[in-house]
Amino acid sequence: SQKIEQNSEALNIQEGKTATLTCNYTNYSPAYLQWYRQDPGRGPVFLLLIRENEKEKRKERLKVTFDTTLKQSLFHITASQPADSATYLCAFPLTGGGNKLTFGTGTQLKVEL
Amino acid sequence: GAVVSQHPSRVICKSGTSVKIECRSLDFQATTMFWYRQFPKQSLMLMATSNEGSKATYEQGVEKDKFLINHASLTLSTLTVTSAHPEDSSFYICSATSLGAYGYTFGSGTRLTVV
Repeated sequence: SQKIEQNSEALNIQEGKTATLTCNYTNYSPAYLQWYRQDPGRGPVFLLLIRENEKEKRKERLKVTFDTTLKQSLFHITASQPADSATYLCAFPLTGGGNKLTFGTGTQLKVEL
Repeated sequence: GAVVSQHPSRVICKSGTSVKIECRSLDFQATTMFWYRQFPKQSLMLMATSNEGSKATYEQGVEKDKFLINHASLTLSTLTVTSAHPEDSSFYICSATSLGAYGYTFGSGTRLTVV
C-alpha cells in the first residue's frame, strides 16, 4: 500500500541555520507533492507544490526538491527564524483518488534563539 | 488569497447529542470540500469528500450515518456528528479547492470534546 514517511522526531535547530525536513514515500509515483505548515490547534497552510518533472521549487526562504528515483522530497528553510517553528506536513494525491490528498504525520520543527 | 472559515473553533457537548460544524469558502467557489479528523500527534485522516449538490463520498471505515455531510452550495459544507460519544472527540478540519486551484485551503479546525 502507499505509504508516506516523515521523521516523527522533532527537529531542533538554531536560528539562522538551514532546516531540512524529509518526506519519503513507497509503492507510489505521485504526479506532484505538496508541503504544508501546521501550527498547534490550527488547520494546515499550503506552502509549495512540486511536480514530478520539477527537481526543485523555491519560494522566498523555502526550497523543495523532488527525487522520483529516491522517492523522496526534501523541504529546506534557509535562515530559519523562531517564527518558523511549526509542524510541516508533506502530502500527495491518492492513486485513483482524483483530487484527494493523503498526508504524512509531519515533522515538528523548533527554531531556537 | 483563498480563505476558508470554519465554525465553531471549539465545542463541548454531552454524549448522545449532535454537533454541527460549518465550513465556508469566503472568496471563492469550492467545487470540492474535504473533511478530515486529526488525533494528537497524528496525521490528518480523510473522512469524506463532498461536491456541491451531490452526496458525499466517505472513506472506508467512516460511518456515513454518524458523520452527516451536506454541501448545499459552492461556498458551504457542513459536518454533523450525530449521537456523539467520547471517542468522537477529536480535531475536525475542512478543506476546500476549486478547479485549477494550486494547493488546498484549510479551515482553522474545530476541537470537539464529548463529555
